Amino acid sequence: QVQLVQSGAEVKKPGASVKVACKASGYTFASFPIHWVRQAPGQSLEWMGRLTGGSGNTKYPQSFQGRVTITGDTSASTAYMELTSLTSDDTAVYYCARGEGSSDWYGFDYWGQGTVVTVTS
Amino acid sequence: QSVLTQPPSASGTPGQRVTISCSGTTSNIKNRYVYWYQQVPGTAPKLLIDRDTQRPSGVPDRFSGSRSGTSVSLAISGLRSEDEADYYCAAWDDSLSGWVFGGGTKLTVL
Repeated sequence: QVQLVQSGAEVKKPGASVKVACKASGYTFASFPIHWVRQAPGQSLEWMGRLTGGSGNTKYPQSFQGRVTITGDTSASTAYMELTSLTSDDTAVYYCARGEGSSDWYGFDYWGQGTVVTVTS
Repeated sequence: QSVLTQPPSASGTPGQRVTISCSGTTSNIKNRYVYWYQQVPGTAPKLLIDRDTQRPSGVPDRFSGSRSGTSVSLAISGLRSEDEADYYCAAWDDSLSGWVFGGGTKLTVL
Protein backbone atom coordinates (compact mmCIF):
# COMPACT_ATOMS: atom_id res chain seq x y z
CA GLN A 1 0.00 0.00 0.00
CA VAL A 2 1.12 3.54 -0.72
CA GLN A 3 2.69 5.25 2.29
CA LEU A 4 4.43 8.58 2.80
CA VAL A 5 6.33 8.82 6.08
CA GLN A 6 7.75 12.16 7.13
CA SER A 7 10.56 13.11 9.45
CA GLY A 8 9.93 14.30 12.99
CA ALA A 9 9.02 17.62 14.51
CA GLU A 10 11.47 20.52 14.36
CA VAL A 11 12.02 23.62 16.48
CA LYS A 12 13.99 26.40 14.81
CA LYS A 13 15.09 29.93 15.58
CA PRO A 14 14.12 32.86 13.35
CA GLY A 15 16.49 33.16 10.40
CA ALA A 16 17.36 29.47 10.40
CA SER A 17 16.49 26.83 7.79
CA VAL A 18 14.58 23.57 8.08
CA LYS A 19 14.70 20.46 5.93
CA VAL A 20 11.84 17.94 6.07
CA ALA A 21 12.03 14.45 4.58
CA CYS A 22 9.24 12.37 3.03
CA LYS A 23 9.93 8.69 2.40
CA ALA A 24 7.64 6.98 -0.09
CA SER A 25 6.84 3.28 -0.28
CA GLY A 26 4.36 1.02 -2.02
CA TYR A 27 4.86 2.49 -5.50
CA THR A 28 7.57 3.57 -7.94
CA PHE A 29 8.82 6.92 -6.62
CA ALA A 30 9.88 8.18 -10.04
CA SER A 31 6.43 7.64 -11.54
CA PHE A 32 4.47 10.21 -9.52
CA PRO A 33 5.19 13.80 -8.45
CA ILE A 34 5.51 14.79 -4.80
CA HIS A 35 3.92 18.02 -3.63
CA TRP A 36 4.44 19.94 -0.40
CA VAL A 37 1.54 21.66 1.36
CA ARG A 38 1.59 23.49 4.68
CA GLN A 39 -1.07 24.42 7.21
CA ALA A 40 -0.53 27.16 9.78
CA PRO A 41 -2.42 26.81 13.08
CA GLY A 42 -6.16 27.27 12.50
CA GLN A 43 -5.61 28.08 8.83
CA SER A 44 -6.30 26.52 5.46
CA LEU A 45 -3.86 24.65 3.25
CA GLU A 46 -1.12 26.34 1.22
CA TRP A 47 0.73 24.77 -1.71
CA MET A 48 4.52 25.13 -1.58
CA GLY A 49 5.65 23.36 -4.72
CA ARG A 50 6.21 20.01 -6.38
CA LEU A 51 8.93 17.68 -7.50
CA THR A 52 8.63 15.42 -10.50
CA GLY A 53 10.12 12.23 -9.13
CA GLY A 54 11.84 10.92 -12.23
CA SER A 55 13.33 14.08 -13.74
CA GLY A 56 13.89 16.11 -10.60
CA ASN A 57 12.00 18.99 -12.21
CA THR A 58 10.50 21.42 -9.70
CA LYS A 59 7.80 24.08 -9.68
CA TYR A 60 7.20 26.66 -6.95
CA PRO A 61 4.53 29.32 -6.43
CA GLN A 62 5.64 32.94 -6.56
CA SER A 63 5.03 33.29 -2.81
CA PHE A 64 7.82 30.82 -2.02
CA GLN A 65 10.23 31.48 -4.89
CA GLY A 66 13.78 31.80 -3.63
CA ARG A 67 13.00 30.49 -0.15
CA VAL A 68 11.96 26.87 -0.74
CA THR A 69 13.88 24.06 -2.41
CA ILE A 70 12.40 20.64 -3.09
CA THR A 71 14.75 17.81 -3.98
CA GLY A 72 14.52 14.06 -4.33
CA ASP A 73 16.66 10.95 -3.96
CA THR A 74 15.18 8.36 -6.29
CA SER A 75 17.42 5.59 -4.93
CA ALA A 76 15.99 6.22 -1.44
CA SER A 77 12.42 7.02 -2.64
CA THR A 78 12.64 10.16 -0.53
CA ALA A 79 11.71 13.77 -1.21
CA TYR A 80 13.00 16.72 0.78
CA MET A 81 11.66 20.21 1.35
CA GLU A 82 14.02 22.90 2.62
CA LEU A 83 12.70 26.29 3.73
CA THR A 84 15.13 29.10 4.54
CA SER A 85 15.01 32.43 6.38
CA LEU A 86 12.37 31.18 8.79
CA THR A 87 10.07 33.56 10.66
CA SER A 88 7.28 32.91 13.15
CA ASP A 89 4.86 32.96 10.20
CA ASP A 90 6.42 29.70 9.04
CA THR A 91 5.19 27.86 12.14
CA ALA A 92 2.94 25.22 10.61
CA VAL A 93 2.38 21.56 9.87
CA TYR A 94 4.16 20.61 6.66
CA TYR A 95 2.73 17.80 4.54
CA CYS A 96 4.05 15.93 1.56
CA ALA A 97 1.45 14.49 -0.80
CA ARG A 98 1.63 12.33 -3.89
CA GLY A 99 0.28 13.78 -7.12
CA GLU A 100 -2.06 11.30 -8.78
CA GLY A 101 -0.93 12.15 -12.30
CA SER A 102 2.06 13.57 -14.13
CA SER A 103 0.35 16.86 -15.04
CA ASP A 104 0.28 19.63 -12.46
CA TRP A 105 -3.51 19.87 -12.41
CA TYR A 106 -3.99 16.36 -11.04
CA GLY A 107 -4.61 16.42 -7.31
CA PHE A 108 -3.11 14.67 -4.32
CA ASP A 109 -4.19 11.14 -3.54
CA TYR A 110 -1.95 10.15 -0.61
CA TRP A 111 -0.59 12.35 2.16
CA GLY A 112 2.18 12.05 4.70
CA GLN A 113 1.37 12.29 8.40
CA GLY A 114 2.68 15.84 8.64
CA THR A 115 5.73 17.42 10.29
CA VAL A 116 5.28 20.17 12.86
CA VAL A 117 7.77 22.99 12.43
CA THR A 118 7.85 25.59 15.19
CA VAL A 119 9.82 28.79 14.76
CA THR A 120 10.54 30.50 18.05
CA SER A 121 13.29 32.59 19.56
CA GLN B 1 -8.01 35.28 1.98
CA SER B 2 -8.38 32.00 0.09
CA VAL B 3 -8.72 31.93 -3.69
CA LEU B 4 -11.61 29.46 -3.52
CA THR B 5 -14.58 30.47 -1.39
CA GLN B 6 -16.28 28.09 1.03
CA PRO B 7 -18.69 28.75 3.89
CA PRO B 8 -16.74 28.63 7.17
CA SER B 9 -19.24 26.30 8.83
CA ALA B 10 -22.05 23.86 8.17
CA SER B 11 -24.13 21.65 10.41
CA GLY B 12 -26.78 18.98 10.41
CA THR B 13 -28.34 16.30 12.54
CA PRO B 14 -27.68 12.57 12.09
CA GLY B 15 -29.37 11.23 8.96
CA GLN B 16 -29.72 14.64 7.32
CA ARG B 17 -28.24 15.75 4.00
CA VAL B 18 -25.75 18.59 4.00
CA THR B 19 -24.10 20.40 1.10
CA ILE B 20 -20.91 22.46 1.12
CA SER B 21 -20.25 24.87 -1.72
CA CYS B 22 -16.96 26.04 -3.22
CA SER B 23 -16.80 28.88 -5.72
CA GLY B 24 -13.92 30.01 -7.89
CA THR B 25 -13.19 31.56 -11.27
CA THR B 26 -12.56 30.65 -14.89
CA SER B 27 -8.85 30.22 -14.13
CA ASN B 28 -9.43 27.43 -11.62
CA ILE B 29 -12.74 25.66 -11.00
CA LYS B 30 -14.36 26.26 -14.40
CA ASN B 31 -11.61 24.62 -16.42
CA ARG B 32 -9.87 22.30 -13.98
CA TYR B 33 -10.72 19.27 -11.89
CA VAL B 34 -11.80 20.00 -8.34
CA TYR B 35 -10.82 17.83 -5.41
CA TRP B 36 -12.37 17.56 -1.95
CA TYR B 37 -10.38 16.68 1.15
CA GLN B 38 -11.63 15.68 4.58
CA GLN B 39 -9.49 16.54 7.58
CA VAL B 40 -10.23 15.32 11.08
CA PRO B 41 -8.47 17.76 13.46
CA GLY B 42 -4.94 16.64 14.28
CA THR B 43 -4.66 14.37 11.25
CA ALA B 44 -3.59 14.74 7.62
CA PRO B 45 -6.12 15.57 4.91
CA LYS B 46 -7.67 12.61 3.15
CA LEU B 47 -8.86 12.53 -0.48
CA LEU B 48 -12.66 12.40 -0.41
CA ILE B 49 -13.72 13.32 -3.96
CA ASP B 50 -11.37 12.89 -6.90
CA ARG B 51 -11.65 14.77 -10.24
CA ASP B 52 -14.96 16.51 -9.51
CA THR B 53 -17.19 13.49 -8.86
CA GLN B 54 -15.15 10.29 -8.33
CA ARG B 55 -15.05 8.54 -4.98
CA PRO B 56 -11.75 6.84 -4.14
CA SER B 57 -11.91 3.27 -2.95
CA GLY B 58 -13.20 3.13 0.62
CA VAL B 59 -15.13 6.40 0.55
CA PRO B 60 -18.83 5.74 1.25
CA ASP B 61 -21.35 6.59 -1.44
CA ARG B 62 -22.96 9.00 1.04
CA PHE B 63 -20.38 11.48 -0.27
CA SER B 64 -20.85 12.97 -3.73
CA GLY B 65 -19.44 15.84 -5.75
CA SER B 66 -21.06 17.99 -8.43
CA ARG B 67 -20.24 21.10 -10.43
CA SER B 68 -22.01 23.95 -12.17
CA GLY B 69 -19.92 26.54 -13.98
CA THR B 70 -17.48 28.16 -11.56
CA SER B 71 -18.97 26.48 -8.50
CA VAL B 72 -18.80 22.97 -7.12
CA SER B 73 -20.56 21.27 -4.23
CA LEU B 74 -19.92 18.43 -1.86
CA ALA B 75 -23.02 16.62 -0.62
CA ILE B 76 -23.11 14.35 2.39
CA SER B 77 -26.26 12.31 2.86
CA GLY B 78 -27.24 10.18 5.85
CA LEU B 79 -25.03 12.34 8.07
CA ARG B 80 -23.10 10.47 10.76
CA SER B 81 -21.17 11.66 13.80
CA GLU B 82 -17.89 10.50 12.26
CA ASP B 83 -18.41 12.97 9.39
CA GLU B 84 -17.57 15.79 11.78
CA ALA B 85 -14.41 17.27 10.26
CA ASP B 86 -13.03 20.11 8.16
CA TYR B 87 -13.64 19.93 4.42
CA TYR B 88 -11.47 21.64 1.80
CA CYS B 89 -11.89 22.10 -1.93
CA ALA B 90 -8.82 22.44 -4.15
CA ALA B 91 -8.00 23.06 -7.79
CA TRP B 92 -5.13 24.04 -10.04
CA ASP B 93 -5.16 27.72 -10.98
CA ASP B 94 -3.93 28.48 -14.50
CA SER B 95 -3.35 32.20 -13.83
CA LEU B 96 -1.34 31.63 -10.65
CA SER B 97 0.27 28.47 -12.05
CA GLY B 98 -0.26 26.75 -8.73
CA TRP B 99 -2.67 24.91 -6.48
CA VAL B 100 -5.32 26.88 -4.61
CA PHE B 101 -7.54 25.81 -1.74
CA GLY B 102 -10.76 26.92 -0.15
CA GLY B 103 -10.70 28.32 3.35
CA GLY B 104 -12.27 25.14 4.68
CA THR B 105 -15.72 24.32 6.08
CA LYS B 106 -16.07 22.99 9.59
CA LEU B 107 -18.90 20.47 9.65
CA THR B 108 -20.65 19.92 12.95
CA VAL B 109 -23.01 17.01 13.51
CA LEU B 110 -25.53 18.18 16.08
